[in-house]
Amino acid sequence: DGGITQSPKYLFRKEGQNVTLSCEQNLNHDAMYWYRQDPGQGLRLIYYSQIVNDFQKGDIAEGYSVSREKKESFPLTVTSAQKNPTAFYLCASSPTALNTEAFFGQGTRLTVV
Amino acid sequence: SQQGEEDPQALSIQEGENATMNCSYKTSINNLQWYRQNSGRGLVHLILIRSNEREKHSGRLRVTLDTSKKSSSLLITASRAADTASYFCATDRWYSGGGADGLTFGKGTHLIIQP
Repeated sequence: DGGITQSPKYLFRKEGQNVTLSCEQNLNHDAMYWYRQDPGQGLRLIYYSQIVNDFQKGDIAEGYSVSREKKESFPLTVTSAQKNPTAFYLCASSPTALNTEAFFGQGTRLTVV
Repeated sequence: SQQGEEDPQALSIQEGENATMNCSYKTSINNLQWYRQNSGRGLVHLILIRSNEREKHSGRLRVTLDTSKKSSSLLITASRAADTASYFCATDRWYSGGGADGLTFGKGTHLIIQP
């Protein structure tokens, strides 16, 4: 089945540690995105990538890093520089970055303990 | 920055009734999309309406778009308990170079259908 997969579903991290969230898609989409969602809030864009080996900062990129070495994969690293990392993280992809629907993964809930 | 704002923030109705949610946005758009999110899950695309369209239907969903008022509405007819979810509107983001970089979402309307 085609789709977008995020792992793990739940993640616990100690303060001061970096952690990487996985996002894989087999939809042959060029564009991929990472969003953060806090309780009762909408989605805020962290990073996006329109094509392999290229990515751009979104609205809240500080404390996060990404890579796009393969079309299928867009991992997000939450670094120790991120002040409030506890949140629900959503990865999405779309055929292009323009005028098309986005397909979302099921999300990763990160909790800092 | 958030472009769309949904209204109301929360809505509770009886099963079988119709549910209407509104979305207002600030800048010109090429299209507007509606998404649904079940609790603790990812978002699912419902419908996309282009700026030159005024109304669009998909099953029990009806979306309208008024570009002069920069607003859209989502109507769910004959609601079911399974429609309980959060509903978000989303618009294209544009950056100064003229390209698009994804979608901007509102904070959503939380819809509860009482059985």
